[in-house]
Amino acid sequence: EVQLVESGGGLVQPGGSLRLSCAASGFTFNNYDMGWVRQAPGKGLEWVSAISGSGGSTYYADSVRGRFTISRDNSKNTLSLQVDSLRAADTAVYYCARNGGGTFDYWGQGTLVTVSS
Amino acid sequence: EIVMTQSPATLSVSPGERATLSCRASQSVSSKLAWYQQKPGQAPRLLIYGASTRATGVPARFSGSGSGTEFTLTISSLQSEDFAVYYCQQYNKWWTFGQGTKVEIK
Repeated sequence: EVQLVESGGGLVQPGGSLRLSCAASGFTFNNYDMGWVRQAPGKGLEWVSAISGSGGSTYYADSVRGRFTISRDNSKNTLSLQVDSLRAADTAVYYCARNGGGTFDYWGQGTLVTVSS
Repeated sequence: EIVMTQSPATLSVSPGERATLSCRASQSVSSKLAWYQQKPGQAPRLLIYGASTRATGVPARFSGSGSGTEFTLTISSLQSEDFAVYYCQQYNKWWTFGQGTKVEIK
């Protein structure tokens, strides 16, 4: 069974940083591209970042480029998102998702990031 | 950026009735269109990919159609567990989502 479990969210002040993690199991992790999608409270879904299976290629939405860094450790089946220079507009539930043929076919339950002073 | 527009924002339907949800892309996405279902407090669930292929375990009452810029998700006979928010998503160029359609009980 595919499982994705996020952690690392919390309350942070504007300008602060967090490191989000996603532990994957139930599939061959390095065979799949992975991504992060966020959802602000009461709002829709926004793609944030993606990474290839090898980790050699990374992609970012314009809204986070230069502030967020995606990475993966295939030896530990872990996906990470370093989020820096946080703004109130970054407040959201952050979901880790597996990219299966272009779509996000499995999702974690999400981790909440709240940016507030 | 490819903008995805869903209509209507809210759809009120009685159980057992048919629901038709629309999604329009600002430019052609070929058939690289997916539909997701999200219930309160839960992560999104993939329903349809490739515009018309049901994901594993998705009931046959869900069907998708369209290509290019116009797409439709049809739920043939709404069950109680189908009341949720539905999002379309293009994956032809990066990934963008529509704003969602809430299917509520009439």
